[in-house]
Amino acid sequence: GQQLNQSPQSMFIQEGEDVSMNCTSSSIFNTWLWYKQDPGEGPVLLIALYKAGELTSNGRLTAQFGITRKDSFLNISASIPSDVGIYFCAGQVPGSNYQLIWGAGTKLIIKP
Amino acid sequence: NAGVMQNPRHLVRRRGQEARLRCSPMKGHSHVYWYRQLPEEGLKFMVYLQKENIIDESGMPKERFSAEFPKEGPSILRIQQVVRGDSAAYFCASSPMTGYTEAFFGQGTRLTVV
Repeated sequence: GQQLNQSPQSMFIQEGEDVSMNCTSSSIFNTWLWYKQDPGEGPVLLIALYKAGELTSNGRLTAQFGITRKDSFLNISASIPSDVGIYFCAGQVPGSNYQLIWGAGTKLIIKP
Repeated sequence: NAGVMQNPRHLVRRRGQEARLRCSPMKGHSHVYWYRQLPEEGLKFMVYLQKENIIDESGMPKERFSAEFPKEGPSILRIQQVVRGDSAAYFCASSPMTGYTEAFFGQGTRLTVV
């Protein structure tokens, strides 16, 4: 079945640094989503991408839908302590408007 | 406007017992989705329900698992005769219409089978 490879698995960074993470797939997706999950909470949608090549920002977050439709990346600029959490990418299952394939997550840890 | 409410937050069951997980969608939302999350993994789709109807249960194991969303009351995910491998976090999400960009997730139920 379809799989998403998300990397890195975890990141230890200093406050104020920029962060970059990405997801790749062997299959094409029509939509990419990025979520954040805080400890003990459910995922919260950060950014949705609908077109190949699309670049979308949400505050300090920027995400791009790869041209090949097989990858996406998320950047966080000038990280702050509340950015700590697990970031997930998800791709829309072709032919479905509600089923998603999820990456395994990137755990972000910020050193004060 | 309260968010998606799941209870209990934590549930411990012995092998062979039944687990019942509840999800109350956001007000005005008639679509409910259930997901399972194993440690260090992303979410896996289980089932999609609308009021009184199961729309898609392709992600749900054929045995021991069932879900319902009655006309009145919360959606229920039921796991019979639990085994250790059922230990996971179970999340539900609700939306006002089909689709994920309008879907909001609950805080999850963490099931531990001992």
